Amino acid sequence: DARVTQTPRHKVTEMGQEVTMRCQPILGHNTVFWYRQTMMQGLELLAYFRNRAPLDDSGMPKDRFSAEMPDATLATLKIQPSEPRDSAVYFCASGWGDQPQHFGDGTRLSIL
Amino acid sequence: QKEVEQNSGPLSVPEGAIASLNCTYSDRGSQSFFWYRQYSGKSPELIMSIYSNGDKEDGRFTAQLNKASQYVSLLIRDSQPSDSATYLCAVNAWKSQGNLIFGKGTKLSVKP
Repeated sequence: DARVTQTPRHKVTEMGQEVTMRCQPILGHNTVFWYRQTMMQGLELLAYFRNRAPLDDSGMPKDRFSAEMPDATLATLKIQPSEPRDSAVYFCASGWGDQPQHFGDGTRLSIL
Repeated sequence: QKEVEQNSGPLSVPEGAIASLNCTYSDRGSQSFFWYRQYSGKSPELIMSIYSNGDKEDGRFTAQLNKASQYVSLLIRDSQPSDSATYLCAVNAWKSQGNLIFGKGTKLSVKP
């Protein structure tokens, strides 16, 4: 089965460090989403791309977060500098058109 | 009003019973509706899609959609302990440019 691949699966780092999360969408999918999930807020959309172009990043703290899609097989989410409140599970999902999204296994991020 | 609302639960049902999960949405232009299941520590997994009014059955799962009432539900027949998870309702709202709006999820517990 085709899958969305996310790396790393787990990341523990100290406050102030840069964090980079990577996502390989399912081949042929033209839309890529980044979500953050916490117990308090549930699943929050941070940003998404269609055909590699950013469509919406209004859910993302602009001062420290950035999302890019350098090619069709790679999406990245960076946090610099990281803060303890960024601790969460970050999911990447991909889809095509109006078809449902398929999620990766997530990156569990802990900022100390 | 939140865009997609679900009771957070927990909803507890005995093994073999029918579990009924409900979801309401605010955007009348919504076109597509999905149910995702998320086990603790795992990523959301698509289990049902529904696009038109009425019922859609897949094994023990039935999704029901009523666009006039802006209501979508998921019935799980013959509930099993393995169905214990959080169920996320997701709506592809017309104004959202194709991305999904997620509810916060209903936690289901099936007791043996």
